[in-house]
Amino acid sequence: DAKTTQPPSMDCAEGRAANLPCNHSTISGNEYVYWYRQIHSQGPQYIIHGLKNNETNEMASLIITEDRKSSTLILPHATLRDTAVYYCIVREDFGNEKLTFGTGTRLTIIP
Amino acid sequence: GAVVSQHPSWVICKSGTSVKIECRSLDFQATTMFWYRQFPKQSLMLMATSNEGSKATYEQGVEKDKFLINHASLTLSTLTVTSAHPEDSSFYICSARERRGTGNTIYFGEGSWLTVV
Repeated sequence: DAKTTQPPSMDCAEGRAANLPCNHSTISGNEYVYWYRQIHSQGPQYIIHGLKNNETNEMASLIITEDRKSSTLILPHATLRDTAVYYCIVREDFGNEKLTFGTGTRLTIIP
Repeated sequence: GAVVSQHPSWVICKSGTSVKIECRSLDFQATTMFWYRQFPKQSLMLMATSNEGSKATYEQGVEKDKFLINHASLTLSTLTVTSAHPEDSSFYICSARERRGTGNTIYFGEGSWLTVV
């Protein structure tokens, strides 16, 4: 069963903010929201993760709704190198809980 | 972030032979590593979970005798594809779990392309 739902594809103009949505309506209280991206022919790259508070790092911001049923990954100033498939994954943050990948969102940055 | 390295990046082997792919955590100890396979235009599929010093746990449908996993140290796990066939041609990706404080982030290697001819 898919734990997350993402749009299959999105376009964003270079230099603009890219906002990638993710629905995770069945998330449990001890599950975190993780975001990874995969550039063509490379291994996935960790971007950010959070539990309930909004998070920001040098790559992106993560906005999680108060009910935690959805989140948005924000790339503040998209560049052509941000073209990739973005995966939203929910996972417990302890033990050996594995990452299960869905189909993700293919983000294309347009010059 | 933490660095995970795979070797080789790509390999071509003849049908019926075996090939080994290495996965190393370069700057942290990884008690748990994961092996994935990805076919063109598809998402990553988890093959097995590898724990240091114990047997790997395989996902349903993955043949443990064909995909041998060894996790002999805290920084190295290997995947051996035995008696490879053309249908085993794929992108194989490993990942390792870094435990830091209360965090538990998983980092991925660069992937290894296997072509069986």
